[in-house]
Amino acid sequence: GAGVSQTPSNKVTEKGKYVELRCDPISGHTALYWYRQSLGQGPEFLIYFQGTGAADDSGLPNDRFFAVRPEGSVSTLKIQRTERGDSAVYLCASSLTDGELFFGEGSRLTVL
Amino acid sequence: QKEVEQDPGPLSVPEGAIVSLNCTYSNSAFQYFMWYRQYSRKGPELLMYTYSSGNKEDGRFTAQVDKSSKYISLFIRDSQPSDSATYLCAMSEAGGFKTIFGAGTRLFVKA
Repeated sequence: GAGVSQTPSNKVTEKGKYVELRCDPISGHTALYWYRQSLGQGPEFLIYFQGTGAADDSGLPNDRFFAVRPEGSVSTLKIQRTERGDSAVYLCASSLTDGELFFGEGSRLTVL
Repeated sequence: QKEVEQDPGPLSVPEGAIVSLNCTYSNSAFQYFMWYRQYSRKGPELLMYTYSSGNKEDGRFTAQVDKSSKYISLFIRDSQPSDSATYLCAMSEAGGFKTIFGAGTRLFVKA
């Protein structure tokens, strides 16, 4: 597909479980971003990759959150020991260097 | 205080009305100003992108930036029911890659 693809679209898990969310960016986009959007709020920055490296991870809320992009394309956001407060829509976006962000439809995470 | 403040609404207007959406911000280093539109259960999509102060027009949409007041606006002329969505303002610093979003304003345009 031509757009940013995120899987799963919905994930329900239990408190304390481990979760992985995947993002497949637009081909050729070197920059990749993860945002988190809670109900009634705007997207909140989590982490930004330029190529394979995390150029800015200042938005990750704590050490339970980790993201990788080993080959400079697909990225995985990993959440350990999930908490109910982690419930949100996790949005991935990609872009060519800086400029317009192209978002996926998000992964809706519910922690019971 | 949040870096970007935006009234969440909701804002309900009749079809054909002129809509005004606004954001204020506190970081004087912001240089790029954007408006994104987000439909329910979809990702945001870029509507308007402006650099520094001034106006930019694209069809029924006009974006204004007043850096002296740290205030940005989006105007929608001849609003349509299909414009019903959440409108997010967003900003970033020159050379920066972190885009900061407002909370979004929910807009309903009634036929």
